[in-house]
Amino acid sequence: DTGVSQDPRHKITKRGQNVTFRCDPISEHNRLYWYRQTLGQGPEFLTYFQNEAQLEKSRLLSDRFSAERPKGSFSTLEIQRTEQGDSAMYLCASSLGTNGETQYFGPGTRLLVL
Amino acid sequence: RKEVEQDPGPFNVPEGATVAFNCTYSNSASQSFFWYRQDCRKEPKLLMSVYSSGNEDGRFTAQLNRASQYISLLIRDSKLSDSATYLCVVKTGANNLFFGTGTRLTVIP
Repeated sequence: DTGVSQDPRHKITKRGQNVTFRCDPISEHNRLYWYRQTLGQGPEFLTYFQNEAQLEKSRLLSDRFSAERPKGSFSTLEIQRTEQGDSAMYLCASSLGTNGETQYFGPGTRLLVL
Repeated sequence: RKEVEQDPGPFNVPEGATVAFNCTYSNSASQSFFWYRQDCRKEPKLLMSVYSSGNEDGRFTAQLNRASQYISLLIRDSKLSDSATYLCVVKTGANNLFFGTGTRLTVIP
């Protein structure tokens, strides 16, 4: 399968713990995006990378959130000191980096904070 | 005001029916427009892009009215497999997408 992959698919954690999610984009895609989706809502943009550079961050991305893409390939999203409000589906998408390009989504990581 | 607004539904229609979804967007500088489909507990997948002249892909027709900042999706001859949530998506600026809340469609046998 050459699509976007995410790991883990599900994560249950206790409030206050740190969690890290991984995204592997489609191999030739230089742009990578993180979104968050809660029940009954559409995905909300969190942050975006072009190659290894993080070029844009939403105000939704609080100080407890950090994302990296160190080699311009896979990316990680870390949430420190998780809160119950962090419970959501975290979606990663990638694209080829031309204007109007299609973003292809991974299956998501579903996080539940108890 | 949200970037993209759409009627959440649900829309329950019989097989073979024609159904239309609408959405509006707030930023007149928006550049690209899409409809994504999301099945239950799955990731969004691109259904079709929306062009100013309107475009059709089989049973699906998308239209854009820039003056009214309005996007529509028409599904003809609904199939059971069309049951899903349809997300109206707008690209404003260089990179990120703004999603509506989605309209849930159930096609009934």
